[in-house]
Amino acid sequence: DIVMTQSPDSLAVSLGERATINCRSSQSVLYSSNNKNYLAWYQHKPGQPPQLLIYWASTRESGVPDRFSGSGSGTDFTLTISSLQAEDVAVYYCQQYYSTPPTFGGGTKVEIK
Amino acid sequence: EVQLLESGGDLVQPGGSLRLSCAASGFTFSSYAMSWVRQAPGKGLEWVSTISGSGDSTYYADSVKGRFTISRDNSENTLYLQMNSLRAEDTAVYYCAKGAPGIAVAGSGAFDYWGQGTLVTVSS
Repeated sequence: DIVMTQSPDSLAVSLGERATINCRSSQSVLYSSNNKNYLAWYQHKPGQPPQLLIYWASTRESGVPDRFSGSGSGTDFTLTISSLQAEDVAVYYCQQYYSTPPTFGGGTKVEIK
Repeated sequence: EVQLLESGGDLVQPGGSLRLSCAASGFTFSSYAMSWVRQAPGKGLEWVSTISGSGDSTYYADSVKGRFTISRDNSENTLYLQMNSLRAEDTAVYYCAKGAPGIAVAGSGAFDYWGQGTLVTVSS
């Protein structure tokens, strides 16, 4: 199984400041035949279901604000919230879908400083 | 509007059984793989099982293989998870999730819509 490791476990950021979350996979999730990274990011707020933010490592899901961006390739990925808003308080998960079983990172809790 | 509504969660004793259901609406149900993902109390997300749109192919996490069975009724737009031989470590909120279009590999993929979840508690 591909192990997904996120860092940090939690971070506190001031409103309007940048939040950066890292995700590393135990093996590459870049599929050479199509040059796509099989990596997604989710936002999970308390009492709500997870929401898909990013897929193919950097493609924003429809309706997701452009302050959310994904980057990286191979085994190292980053989710950036360019200007943190109060409604962005949540736990964020990366997930690989390169192989079965699909696996999630342990989550990063984002709070307001 | 896509809607996924889980039901069937309950308190059950270790060794017991439970069947979860997920009623889907707002999309062509038979065209998409569907999955169950769970979250144990205070823990992260864990994929449990996936079934193809036709129902011909199923996939399971090692932790539930041989105990859980995923199925679907495309005429009723409903996804199921039959859970047998339940253990304390199966205690979790169970979410049903729709496979994102074009973002799927056999047995894997991203999930673009999730239900609100149903709580399964395994305890004596």
